[in-house]
Amino acid sequence: DADVTQTPRNRITKTGKRIMLECSQTKGHDRMYWYRQDPGLGLRLIYYSFDVKDINKGEISDGYSVSRQAQAKFSLSLESAIPNQTALYFCATSEPGQGDGYTFGSGTRLTVV
Amino acid sequence: QKEVEQDPGPLSVPEGAIVSLNCTYSNSAFQYFMWYRQYSRKGPELLMYTYSSGNKEDGRFTAQVDKSSKYISLFIRDSQPSDSATYLCAMRGYSGGGADGLTFGKGTHLIIQP
Repeated sequence: DADVTQTPRNRITKTGKRIMLECSQTKGHDRMYWYRQDPGLGLRLIYYSFDVKDINKGEISDGYSVSRQAQAKFSLSLESAIPNQTALYFCATSEPGQGDGYTFGSGTRLTVV
Repeated sequence: QKEVEQDPGPLSVPEGAIVSLNCTYSNSAFQYFMWYRQYSRKGPELLMYTYSSGNKEDGRFTAQVDKSSKYISLFIRDSQPSDSATYLCAMRGYSGGGADGLTFGKGTHLIIQP
C-alpha cells in the first residue's frame, strides 16, 4: 500500500456541488497538507495541519474547508464547487526535523463542469 | 519578484547528456533545499535535499547550493529517457516551532530524447 493514499483518483462534478477529497497516510506523521497544482502556477498550499487539533489556512483557502479526523486522515472539502477549482489536488505529509521532505499522494484530478 | 524562480522549460536533451536544472530565490532565510521529481499523473517524490551551501551527490544526481548567489542547481549525469519528468525545487527556513512549509518552484519539464 502507498504511504499516502488519496481518493478518488479522478472526479468530475457539477458547479455548485459539495465534494470531499480524502487522504490517509501510514507514515505516522503528524503534519499533513493539501496542495493544488495548476499549469503555470505550480503547487499552492490550501490548508495544513500540524496535529489533530491544529488546522491552518494556506495561501488559497477560500472556497475550501478541511477536517482532520485522526492523525492518519485529512479531508478536503469544496463546499460549492466552481469551474476554477478544476485542478490536480495533492495531499502530503511530513515530520519536523532537519532536511525532512514531504511525502505526496498520487493526487486527485478534479474537474468542475 | 516571486520567492522562487524556476524556468518551466521544456528542456529537451539527448540521452547521455549532462542536464543542469536551476532555481533562484530571494529569501535569505531559506536553509533547506530540495529537489522533487514528478512523473506525469503522479505526485512529486523527494529526490535530493541539502542543508545550507555545498554539494551533495547521489548516484547520477548532484545537488548544489550557492547561498551567496541564492542559486541552487541539480545536475543529472548520463541522462536516461526514464529521467523525463518535471523537476521542482523546494526550500524552507529553519523550523523554529512555527510553520515550516515548503516554498516550491513551478517546475522544469525535462525531456530526454532516446
